[in-house]
Amino acid sequence: AQSVTQLDSQVPVFEEAPVELRCNYSSSVSVYLFWYVQYPNQGLQLLLKYLSGSTLVKGINGFEAEFNKSQTSFHLRKPSVHISDTAEYFCAVRGRTVNDYKLSFGAGTTVTVRA
Amino acid sequence: KAGVTQTPRYLIKTRGQQVTLSCSPISGHRSVSWYQQTPGQGLQFLFEYFSETQRNKGNFPGRFSGRQFSNSRSEMNVSTLELGDSALYLCASSLDSGSSYNEQFFGPGTRLTVL
Repeated sequence: AQSVTQLDSQVPVFEEAPVELRCNYSSSVSVYLFWYVQYPNQGLQLLLKYLSGSTLVKGINGFEAEFNKSQTSFHLRKPSVHISDTAEYFCAVRGRTVNDYKLSFGAGTTVTVRA
Repeated sequence: KAGVTQTPRYLIKTRGQQVTLSCSPISGHRSVSWYQQTPGQGLQFLFEYFSETQRNKGNFPGRFSGRQFSNSRSEMNVSTLELGDSALYLCASSLDSGSSYNEQFFGPGTRLTVL
C-alpha cells in the first residue's frame, strides 16, 4: 500500500516569487510519482512525473520536482509564479506493476498567487 | 484527438435515489478508472475497468458499481444515494499498451449533489 502526505494545505505567494510544495510518500514497493494541478471546476492535469533516471524532473508551465529516495520526498518547485498558477496541486503515487493503475493522492495544496 | 468526456457535468439527486454517470475515454484507450473527490476524504480510487472487466477495486461499499462496454466507454452507478455521496466523480483513461507505465488522462468530472 502507498500513502502520500502533502505538508502544506495552503500556500499564499506573491506574483513572481518562488514557490515550493512539499510531498512525502510511503510505500513498501518501488513507485512512480506525480504532480497534478486542478483548476476550479476542472479535472486533473498532469504537471510532471518521475518514472526513473534523473531525480530532477521538469514539467509543464515551468514547474520542476526533485525525487529524493532517502527522504521519500518529491517536492514541487517553480522559480517565479504567475497569477494563473492559482490552483490546487496534488502529489500522487502508484505502484510499478503492469496492472497497477490505482493512483494514491495527497490531500492537496491550495496555491493562491497574489499581485 | 478528443479528451476524456464525462456526462452529465452536473447532477442533483435526493437521498435514496440511484444515479448513473458516463465516461467516454480517449479513442484507443482501453483502461478506464474512476475516482471520487470530496472535501473531507480527498481523491479516492473507486475502480478500474479493462476489456469490460473490473481489474482493480477500491474500498467502497457495494452501492458503488461500474461496467465497461465493448467500445471502452464506462458507466458507474451509485444506488441508494446518501448525503455523503455528494462529490466530484472523475474518470481517467489510459492506453494500457502493455508497458509498465501508461499515463492516465482525466476528464472534467461529474459534480453530484445529493439532497
